[in-house]
Amino acid sequence: GAVVSQHPSWVICKSGTSVKIECRSLDFQATTMFWYRQFPKQSLMLMATSNEGSKATYEQGVEKDKFLINHASLTLSTLTVTSAHPEDSSFYICSARTGGRTGELFFGEGSRLTVL
Amino acid sequence: DAKTTQPPSMDCAEGRAANLPCNHSTISGNEYVYWYRQIHSQGPQYIIHGLKNNETNEMASLIITEDRKSSTLILPHATLRDTAVYYCIVRVRPGNTGKLIFGQGTTLQVKP
Repeated sequence: GAVVSQHPSWVICKSGTSVKIECRSLDFQATTMFWYRQFPKQSLMLMATSNEGSKATYEQGVEKDKFLINHASLTLSTLTVTSAHPEDSSFYICSARTGGRTGELFFGEGSRLTVL
Repeated sequence: DAKTTQPPSMDCAEGRAANLPCNHSTISGNEYVYWYRQIHSQGPQYIIHGLKNNETNEMASLIITEDRKSSTLILPHATLRDTAVYYCIVRVRPGNTGKLIFGQGTTLQVKP
């Protein structure tokens, strides 16, 4: 299947700093990418839909000023957690949709954020 | 997208078939059944999907009832590496947005 890569796979930062996570589609162009967050022992929660060249669409309850999403190219979307706090510590996962009418979704390996 | 119901956990002996059920009684005619799994601390992995007919690939088989209100994912010879959370998701393909909404899934524990 198609390959989606995230970087970094894990990051530790101090409270108040901002952290950027990258999501790349390695062998296909993705006009749409999705960002999920997962807390321990819970399911994945969709945060936002990232569309190339336009503003992201956020799910209800997700702060768009807190979680900045940029999808500047067909192979790269970034999630920036601004002014991170310990409660933002989580596993962040992106997925990318291959093109066409039958585009399927493939997931990255996830990025674990720990805010001290 | 239709809601799905899965048992929270199941056990399976290594080498035996693992049968994971999913109820989706409110599924619409144009909605597909998708299965993903998530091994601990990794991103979800696509397994299989289907609309009406039973499907099989190198990983698993998907059996969908005739009324499409339930389905079963079958791992024919489960190994320890199949221990994971399995998610059954129903959605339109490709869908207006293509997004997947995850439920709680079934934690499958394969035991030696």
